[in-house]
This record gives sequence, C-alpha cells and structure tokens, in this order.
Amino acid sequence: QTVVTQEPSLTVSPGGTVTLTCASSTGAVTSGIYPNWFQLKPGQAPRALIYSTIKKHSWTPARFSGSLLGGKAALTLSGAQPEDEAEYYCLLYIGGAWVFGGGTKLTVL
Amino acid sequence: QVQLQESGPGLVKPSQTLSLTCTVSGDSVSSGPYYWNWIRQPAGKGLEWIGLIYTSGTTNYNPSLKSRVTISLDTSKNQFSLKLSSVTAADTAVYYCAGDFGVWGRGTTVTVSS
Repeated sequence: QTVVTQEPSLTVSPGGTVTLTCASSTGAVTSGIYPNWFQLKPGQAPRALIYSTIKKHSWTPARFSGSLLGGKAALTLSGAQPEDEAEYYCLLYIGGAWVFGGGTKLTVL
Repeated sequence: QVQLQESGPGLVKPSQTLSLTCTVSGDSVSSGPYYWNWIRQPAGKGLEWIGLIYTSGTTNYNPSLKSRVTISLDTSKNQFSLKLSSVTAADTAVYYCAGDFGVWGRGTTVTVSS
C-alpha cells in the first residue's frame, strides 16, 4: 500500500518562509503523478492551493508556490501571514488511485 | 462559480449503508469539471480519498474501500451520490464532495452508531 509522507508539524515566523514536502513510498515524486496541495482550517471547507505540481488556482495567494524538490513535491510559503496557520495536505496520483499525505500542521508564531 | 453541498443522514447504524448526495450548482455534473470526488476525514485524522466519477459515468475507487463503495451520477438533479455499505464505527467521519479537487463542499458529518 502506497504511503505519502509529510512533516507532521512545522513552525514559521510571521513574514518568514517555510517549505512543506510530500514524499511517496513508491519512489520519487514527479509531475506525472500530479501533486496537489490543500489548506484545511477548522469549520471551513478545504481550499485547493496548487494542482499539477506548480499551477495555482485563481484564488491562491501569490505567497504560495509549488515545486519538485529532491524527489519530493514541495509547497513553499513566502511571507507567512497569521491566517496561514492551518493544516496542509498533499495529494498524489499513484497506481491509478489518489492518495493523500498525512498532513502538516503549520503554526505561524 | 461552482458550488457543492453535501446532504444525507448524520447517523447510520452499523452494518447498514451510508448514502450521501452532493448537489452541484453553477455547472453541470455531465459537462463540468472532469471528475467528481468523495473524500472523508475521521476526527483527528487525515484526509482519505474515497473515489470519483467522471462525467462519462466511469468510476475509480480507493482500493481499500472498493468492495463497499458505489458512486453514481444523477444528471436530472445535477447531483452525484455516494453509497458505502456494511459500515462500522471506523466509517465515522466528515464526508466531503469535490469537483476535480478544485472546489469542495463544506462537508457533512456522519456518525456510525447503534
């Protein structure tokens, strides 16, 4: 069974930069498995941030960007804001099925 | 813009079938985003993809749930639905529908309990 691994928790200072990563147990993450990134806040609908590795939705703040980094998918937040404190999940298409990562709890402090 | 709204019973008895509906507004389930998804999140745990249905009606399910899941389209009502059979307490979760993973509903809580 495929396992997708993310950092359990990260902390970033207001205005700072942080990179979240997403690794697959099957090997290197490539654009061919269409990495997606989502933001979850309590009581709110999940918000899609990034699709197909680097593409942003029309509502994605410019401070969020997606990339591939060292065989992993990455979500970089540049200029963190207090409202960015949330859980972040990646999603990969592996072996004909979509698999979510375990999520990263991001604290802005 | 596209909006999605989940609906269905909030309480299901063990061994019974969980049935949820996602009503789509602002687009057509038969010609809108390429595929329509169901995702769930048990309390205190991460997201789990349940499955999807393409506008063509073709489905793709999470292998771990495949034997219990059915997703279908109702184009007359502009809805798509989830049925999960033989539920247990482990199926207690917030259930979300999503269009092409870009637009999500707010989710609906389903508790499995007698």
